[in-house]
Amino acid sequence: AQTVTQSQPEMSVQEAETVTLSCTYDTSESDYYLFWYKQPPSRQMILVIRQEAYKQQNATENRFSVNFQKAAKSFSLKISDSQLGDAAMYFCAYRPSQGAQKLVFGQGTRLTINP
Amino acid sequence: KAGVTQTPRYLIKTRGQQVTLSCSPISGHRSVSWYQQTPGQGLQFLFEYFSETQRNKGNFPGRFSGRQFSNSRSEMNVSTLELGDSALYLCASSPGVSTVTQYFGPGTRLTVL
Repeated sequence: AQTVTQSQPEMSVQEAETVTLSCTYDTSESDYYLFWYKQPPSRQMILVIRQEAYKQQNATENRFSVNFQKAAKSFSLKISDSQLGDAAMYFCAYRPSQGAQKLVFGQGTRLTINP
Repeated sequence: KAGVTQTPRYLIKTRGQQVTLSCSPISGHRSVSWYQQTPGQGLQFLFEYFSETQRNKGNFPGRFSGRQFSNSRSEMNVSTLELGDSALYLCASSPGVSTVTQYFGPGTRLTVL
């Protein structure tokens, strides 16, 4: 079974600084997708960024970028120029490329932004 | 386009009762998935529906069931509620089964007393 591990339950960063959230996963599949979702307090979960495993190039979305290390099964999220609105729970998630529309989530990292 | 909507947003029930939660996907989306979110277990997959058919089911007891209608709206039902069923139930939709990204609704917060 696939598993996703986020080893940092909580992180904090100063506004305008850079922070990196860690995620490791375990799978025997060779083709899959990885995601970072953001869940602000009492608000709905939104997709931050996604990575296709067959792509070597790391995905970026504005201030958000990932460091995808397929051999190490590592998928970290870097947030640059942190803003107060980035405060949220961040979930790393995995989905195989074939089969179920089933996301396997990590336990989440609560990110606090200090003004 | 309107996003995924879930009703009701909050619900309080007592042990032994049953509950039905509703999810309306984004217009044009035909795939709906349900997840349970609790502080202890995190986010866990419940079911996936496409074209009124359940394609996959997570590791939950038979008290948890669901269905999808011809307009892609989905409902999930939990019978004989237990205290441990207290959770945020999230619905996610996507255009089709091969679509990668799922879009989440705001969730239904169920409290079982």
